[in-house]
Parts: sequence; C-alpha cells; structure tokens
Amino acid sequence: KQEVTQIPAALSVPEGENLVLNCSFTDSAIYNLQWFRQDPGKGLTSLLLIQSSQREQTSGRLNASLDKSSGRSTLYIAASQPGDSATYLCAVPYNTDKLIFGTGTRLQVFP
Amino acid sequence: DAGVIQSPRHEVTEMGQEVTLRCKPISGHNSLFWYRQTMMRGLELLIYFNNNVPIDDSGMPEDRFSAKMPNASFSTLKIQPSEPRDSAVYFCASGPTPPGANVLTFGAGSRLTVL
Repeated sequence: KQEVTQIPAALSVPEGENLVLNCSFTDSAIYNLQWFRQDPGKGLTSLLLIQSSQREQTSGRLNASLDKSSGRSTLYIAASQPGDSATYLCAVPYNTDKLIFGTGTRLQVFP
Repeated sequence: DAGVIQSPRHEVTEMGQEVTLRCKPISGHNSLFWYRQTMMRGLELLIYFNNNVPIDDSGMPEDRFSAKMPNASFSTLKIQPSEPRDSAVYFCASGPTPPGANVLTFGAGSRLTVL
C-alpha cells in the first residue's frame, strides 16, 4: 500500500527565505507526482506535475524534483512571499487511477 | 469553464439526518473523485468514477455512505443517517482519463457539520 509522508508538518519563515518542502512515498513504482497548494477554506490547486521520466519541473519561483529510486520529492520555493502562505500537499497515483495525498506542510511566511 | 462546482458550500445538520452533497465536474473530464478531508486523517479518497461508472469505492467508510453519477455532468454523495464523526470537508475533483497522469481540478469543497 502506498503511503505518502511530508515533513515538516508546519513551517514559519520570514519573507525572502528560500524553502524546501519534503515528500516521501513508500512505493517507488509511480509514473508521476503532483504538488498542490491549499488555501484555508479553499480547494486544492495543482502547482506542478512531474512525470517519472523527469527529474524536475519549474514554474516561476517553484521547482519540484523527483527521485523515484529513493522515494522522495522536494518542492523548492525561492524568495518566499507572504502570499505563499498555504498548505502544500504532494500526491502520487496508486493502482494507476487513484491519487494518494501526503499529510501536508502548513507554511506561513511573515513580512 | 467555471471549474468543478460543489454544493452546498456549508451544511449544518443534526445527527440522523440525510445529507446530500452535489458535484458538477468540468465538461469533458471522464473521471470524478470524492475526497474527505479532516484534521486527523488528512485527505482520504472515498470513491471514484470513470465514464460515470464507479471504479473503486473501497474508501467509502460504511454503508451509510453512497455515491452516484447518473450522467457525465453530475454526481452526488449521500450520507444517511449522518453522524457527528462525518463532520469534514468533502471535495469533488475531476480529470481526464487516466486521472493519475493528468492534473486533477478540485472543487471548493462542502463543509459538513453534524451536531
């Protein structure tokens, strides 16, 4: 059974810092990994999708890497801003069709 | 496209009452998912449909929960009778097939409180 874990569970940093969020999964036989953002009281917004053949994906100040062999992915946020404050979740497919979500990292960036 | 539309956004009900949550997926998406989110358990997949057919309902907690997708543009999640432990935010998401290979779009969620 696929299990997805994220550390840290919560993070509070001053504006401008570069951040690394971690995601670990137990079954490395995945064909992609997604990172989502969830604002309080809102749904999830997909940020990045990394295919298993890729090692990383970039979108603006976000960079996500994937190391299947070690069962890990990282989300790097450069020059963090208060608007980045949210919960970040990673998710991997299981049995082809189902997305299994990690426990999430709650990020707060203060001015 | 208006995205995935869920209703109601908030519902407060008393234990024992029937609750029906509704979802309209994005037009053209073949897969639809119902998730439940709580502080204790995070996001849990309840059931998903592919081309209106339930594919996997192993996440449905018990017989009090049922889900239907009568057509490609509408799905319901019903809880009867509701219990306080059912209090959670219920999300609907839709995506192209196969869903795991593409980006899922989530609705804003339905926050259920059972007193």
